[in-house]
Amino acid sequence: EIVLTQSPATLSLSPGERATLSCRASQSVSSYLAWYQQKPGQAPRLLIYDASNRATGIPARFSGSGSGTDFTLTISSLEPEDFAVYYCQQRSNWRTFGQGTKLEIK
Amino acid sequence: QITLKESGPTLVKPTQTLTLTCTFSGFSLSTSGVGVGWIRQPPGKALEWLALIYWDDDKRYSPSLKSRLTITKDTSKNQVVLTMTNMDPVDTATYYCAHLEMAPTGGIDYWGQGTLVTVSS
Repeated sequence: EIVLTQSPATLSLSPGERATLSCRASQSVSSYLAWYQQKPGQAPRLLIYDASNRATGIPARFSGSGSGTDFTLTISSLEPEDFAVYYCQQRSNWRTFGQGTKLEIK
Repeated sequence: QITLKESGPTLVKPTQTLTLTCTFSGFSLSTSGVGVGWIRQPPGKALEWLALIYWDDDKRYSPSLKSRLTITKDTSKNQVVLTMTNMDPVDTATYYCAHLEMAPTGGIDYWGQGTLVTVSS
């Protein structure tokens, strides 16, 4: 089973700052990596698919990059509504999620 | 408009079998490329994929839980059913069903609201 390791576990930033979240796979997943955002009490929402493609309706401040084993989600300028938990998920071999990164207000 | 809703018991005893039903609308599970999956999330913890069934009845399971899971679909009723045997307190979680399409995203674009299942004697 492919293990996804996200870092950091918690990221404390202020609105307007740039956020960089990392996801590392235990083996290559090619570009079959997605990012989801989850707010308390809500189901997750798809942000990025296939490493770098924004899902429908996702603001341009969200971008994804990477391939193989190392991936990054970047939020260029944080809005108040962006503070949430972010999960990466691969679909190269079955489907697994990372353990999540909590993005909190500093 | 695509919607999904999970139903089933909120409380099960250890060793019992859990049966959850996902009732959906706004799409057909006989349409090429469509799938419905089950994902769970223990309180305060990460998401975990459980099972996935595709329009062509291809079924995939979490390798670590495969022996305990069965997923089926009833296209005429717009339902997908997940059964999990030998429930344990560590299986306490919110269980989500979700819609996905192989293309273009391959990801989950619609989720149910989730149902909290507690395993306790």
